[in-house]
Amino acid sequence: DTGVSQDPRHKITKRGQNVTFRCDPISEHNRLYWYRQTLGQGPEFLTYFQNEAQLEKSRLLSDRFSAERPKGSFSTLEIQRTEQGDSAMYLCASSWALGNTGELFFGEGSRLTVL
Amino acid sequence: AQSVAQPEDQVNVAEGNPLTVKCTYSVSGNPYLFWYVQYPNRGLQFLLKYITGDNLVKGSYGFEAEFNKSQTSFHLKKPSALVSDSALYFCAVRDMRQAGTALIFGKGTTLSVSS
Repeated sequence: DTGVSQDPRHKITKRGQNVTFRCDPISEHNRLYWYRQTLGQGPEFLTYFQNEAQLEKSRLLSDRFSAERPKGSFSTLEIQRTEQGDSAMYLCASSWALGNTGELFFGEGSRLTVL
Repeated sequence: AQSVAQPEDQVNVAEGNPLTVKCTYSVSGNPYLFWYVQYPNRGLQFLLKYITGDNLVKGSYGFEAEFNKSQTSFHLKKPSALVSDSALYFCAVRDMRQAGTALIFGKGTTLSVSS
C-alpha cells in the first residue's frame, strides 16, 4: 500500500506525559499536513510543510505542540505535557505542491486518549 | 477568513431515493471546493472537487456536486442512494488566492441510508 501511513494508530497516555506521532506521506508528495479531529467536528488544521519547511501553523498549535519534517519525507508531531483536552484523532495528509488545486490524501489517523 | 458551513448534522434518506448534503462557504477570493467521505475507523477519502469550469462536477461512487457562486453553495448529490453510502461527509474549501494554504473543513454531515 503506497498511501499515507500513520503510527501509532492508538495511543493511551497519562496527563503530563509526552507523545509523538509519525506520518509517512505518499512518496511523490512534497506537502504534508497535520489536522486534529474531535468527536462531532470536522478536521481542524494544525500545520503544514512543503518539503522540510514548516510554512504555516494554526493558532491551535500551542507551544506544547511541535512538528518536524527533517528530510522532507516523514514527519513527526510531538505533544509535550499532554492534557485531557488533547484527546483527539490526529490526521496526517499529503499532496503535491504544484498549483493549489490538489486534493489532500489522508492517513487513517492516530487516536490519542489522555487519562 | 475562510469558512464552511454544513447546516445539517444528519440526513436520512431511503435507499433508491435521491440525496442532497448541503454546504455553504465563505472565502475572500474564488474558492476551490472539495467533498470528502469518512467511513467508521477509516481515513477521509476524496470524492470530488470544483476548481473551475462546469458548475456540475462528478466524482467517485456516483456522487456529484453543484457549485452555485451566487448562493455560495456546493451541495453534494446522488440520484439514487445506496445503504453503503451511509457515512460522514465533509465539505472543504481553499481560497484560490492564498497559495499553499490548507483545506478548511465543515463539521460534517452524517448520511444515513435505510433499506
